[in-house]
Order: sequence, then C-alpha cells, then structure tokens
Amino acid sequence: QKEVEQNSGPLSVPEGAIASLNCTYSDRGSQSFFWYRQYSGKSPELIMFIYSNGDKEDGRFTAQLNKASQYVSLLIRDSQPSDSATYLCAVNNNNDMRFGAGTRLTVKP
Amino acid sequence: EPEVTQTPSHQVTQMGQEVILRCVPISNHLYFYWYRQILGQKVEFLVSFYNNEISEKSEIFDDQFSVERPDGSNFTLKIRSTKLEDSAMYFCASTPGRGGGQPQHFGDGTRLSIL
Repeated sequence: QKEVEQNSGPLSVPEGAIASLNCTYSDRGSQSFFWYRQYSGKSPELIMFIYSNGDKEDGRFTAQLNKASQYVSLLIRDSQPSDSATYLCAVNNNNDMRFGAGTRLTVKP
Repeated sequence: EPEVTQTPSHQVTQMGQEVILRCVPISNHLYFYWYRQILGQKVEFLVSFYNNEISEKSEIFDDQFSVERPDGSNFTLKIRSTKLEDSAMYFCASTPGRGGGQPQHFGDGTRLSIL
C-alpha cells in the first residue's frame, strides 16, 4: 500500500511568520514530489515540485526532499492570510500519483 | 495560460444511471488523468491515459468506470450504474508527455451528486 502521510492540522501561524508543512511517504520507488494548495471547494493548484534531494526555492516557497528519510516538506516564508488553505503533498511513481490528506493552514492577521 | 476545462461543473444524477464527465485537456498534452475527491477526504488517483489506452489505474477504477478519447479534444470518464458513494468531485489533469515527473495541472472539477 502506497501511503502519503501529512499532519491534518490545523496549523496556525501569525502573518509574516514561516509556515512549515511536512509529508512522509512509503513508496521508496517514488520519483517526483509535488505540493498543491487547495482552497475550500476548489481544485488543487500546483505550487512546487521537486525531484532531487535538497532544497528548491521559488519565491516565498521552499520545498525540501530527503529520499533516504522518505520525507518532503514545504516552507512558506512571510506567510499571508491569503495563504490560508489546505496544502496537499503528492508523490508520483510512474504516473500513479498519490496524495496525502492535506494540512490545513491558517495564517492569522 | 492554457487550462484544463471540465464540464459540467455540477452533475446531479439518480442512482443507477450512467454519467459521463467531460474534460478538454491542454491542447498539446498527450497524457491525461482522472482523480476523484470525496467531500472531506483526500484526492484519489483513478486512471491515466496515453496513446488511446489506459496507462495506469488504481484499485478504485473497476469495471464500473471507463475512459475514452472520443475525438481530438475531449477526454471522458464514464461511470455506469452510479452508486451513492460515487458522489464526489472529479478532477481531470493533463501533462505534455510521458513521465511521472511532469507536474499535473488540474481542471476546476465536476461535482457529481448521486441521489
């Protein structure tokens, strides 16, 4: 069974703080890793993807991957109230993409 | 920016009826996907489709489901003999080519309500 685990939250951070979201996965053959943001009632929106161990930065977002530990994380710097959403971790192995249940983030003004 | 479009946005169907959900993938994309999300639950992979055949499918995608590329633009998901538990959001996605590493962009989804 290929599992992707996330803390469901809610994670609450003040505006301007760093939000840290974590994800672990069970399938060692996983090749690519994605973070999606999903607002209530909307479709998932791609934020970041990462393929190699280490960090990848894009604006306020940094994705971190550690394949040995089967761990992916997303850091959001200078969090804004508009970042309040559910963040989905997704792990892909040969076009079979598995999602975590998501972490609900609330950024308080 | 090109988008994946899905129709209808909301479909209400009586239990036992057949339903067809439609998707128009991004025009130069070759790989297509269907996912579902039951209210309050995680997004679940159903099927991927390439070169007019199913590439991968999950354990959810049983004989009740089928997919088709009826023409050069549409990609459809058919659910036969719908059940109450088929009520969910159904999302379509596409990628330019083969390879699990390519980011998938989702359409806005179809909310399917089975009565």
